[in-house]
Amino acid sequence: EVQLVESGGGLVQPGGSLRLSCAASGFTLSSYWMSWVRQAPGKGLEWVANINQDGSDKYYVDSVKGRFTISRDNAKNSLYLQMNSLRVEDTAVYYCARYSSSWGGFDPWGQGTLVTVSS
Amino acid sequence: DIQMTQSPSSVSASVGDRVTITCRASQGISSWLAWYQQKPGKAPKLLIYVASNLQSGVPSRFSGSGSGTDFTLTISSLQPEDFASYYCQQANSFPLTFGPGTKVDIK
Repeated sequence: EVQLVESGGGLVQPGGSLRLSCAASGFTLSSYWMSWVRQAPGKGLEWVANINQDGSDKYYVDSVKGRFTISRDNAKNSLYLQMNSLRVEDTAVYYCARYSSSWGGFDPWGQGTLVTVSS
Repeated sequence: DIQMTQSPSSVSASVGDRVTITCRASQGISSWLAWYQQKPGKAPKLLIYVASNLQSGVPSRFSGSGSGTDFTLTISSLQPEDFASYYCQQANSFPLTFGPGTKVDIK
């Protein structure tokens, strides 16, 4: 069974940092692009970042460029999101998702981890 | 960036009803569109990809159509488990963008 499990969320002050992790199982991580997508409380979905199979190609939404870094460790079957200079507006549930470069979407998704940025 | 809009923002319907949700892109995206279902407190689930392809395991009462800028998701006969929010997503270019969502609730 394909499974994605996020961890690392929590409460952090504005300006702080947090590192999210996503543990992948049931498929060969190194064969797929991966993504982070977030959802602010009561709001819609927002794509955050993508990374290709070997980590050499990355894309970010403008609002996180220069602050967030997506990375991966295929040997550890893990995806990461390093979040620096966090803002109140970064408060959201962060989902890890497998990205299909064939049709450009996300399947499956992890259960999500909540990041709260507040003083 | 490609902006996605959806209508209606919410719809009240009864079990057995036919429900249609519309998604519009701010520029042509060919058929590069996906639909997701999300229930409260849960992760989104893929329903449709490339506008009209049903994801494996998704009931056949769900269907998608459209190309260019205008797309629809149709639920032919609403079931109790279909009460949820639905999002479209353009897969044509980065940044990938979602519509604002349509909430389907019980009349």
